[in-house]
Amino acid sequence: QVQLQESGPGLVKPSETLSLTCTVSGGSISTYYWSWVRQPPGKGLEWIGYIHYSGSTNYNPSLKSRVTISVDTSKNQFSLKLSSVTAADTAVYYCARHYPFPYSGSYYDAFDIWGQGTMVTVSS
Amino acid sequence: IQLTQSPSFLSASVGDRVTITCRASQDISNYLAWYQQKPGKAPKLLIYVASTLQSGVPSRFSGSGSGTEFTLTISSLQAEDFATYSCQQLNSYPYTFGQGTKLEIK
Repeated sequence: QVQLQESGPGLVKPSETLSLTCTVSGGSISTYYWSWVRQPPGKGLEWIGYIHYSGSTNYNPSLKSRVTISVDTSKNQFSLKLSSVTAADTAVYYCARHYPFPYSGSYYDAFDIWGQGTMVTVSS
Repeated sequence: IQLTQSPSFLSASVGDRVTITCRASQDISNYLAWYQQKPGKAPKLLIYVASTLQSGVPSRFSGSGSGTEFTLTISSLQAEDFATYSCQQLNSYPYTFGQGTKLEIK
């Protein structure tokens, strides 16, 4: 059974770079697309971006200038870097798997597996 | 694409039938998923392609709709269903979520 686990510092100073890693266990990262999603305290979910094992990426335009997502297939991991953080970046960060569900002769995405989430606080 | 859920808060009793609505700012066909989230936990996929139940999800959950209006219905609330429910559009990037509907015990 595939499981995802986020790891990284829980506290980041303003203007610095937030770095998180998602480790995929129980399956290979070399299939599917993989995303980062965040949730500020008491607020809704925000999609940050995805990476494919091939290295192709797509980022939320609202964060694109500050985000980099990379993949290390040898370690079955993918990572998030968010630069120039402010208090507004304080959130629980989740990694998630895109699964292509077959339907009516085509495939439809949904996020079927999520990590447990990791709280990142931006504060000096 | 903006998703607006209504209501944002819902108070109900065990055994009640409840419906949550998700409206999209433009046509997303049936590229919509529903998630359940309990406090301190990750979202859990309930429904994809607007109306298809994810494996292992109880049949009291159902989804419907297409285009710009969608609904999630719980036919008979159970104690474990009290949680926050969010819709997500997967029609185009950036994927977006609704603001969430918190379902509370009356």
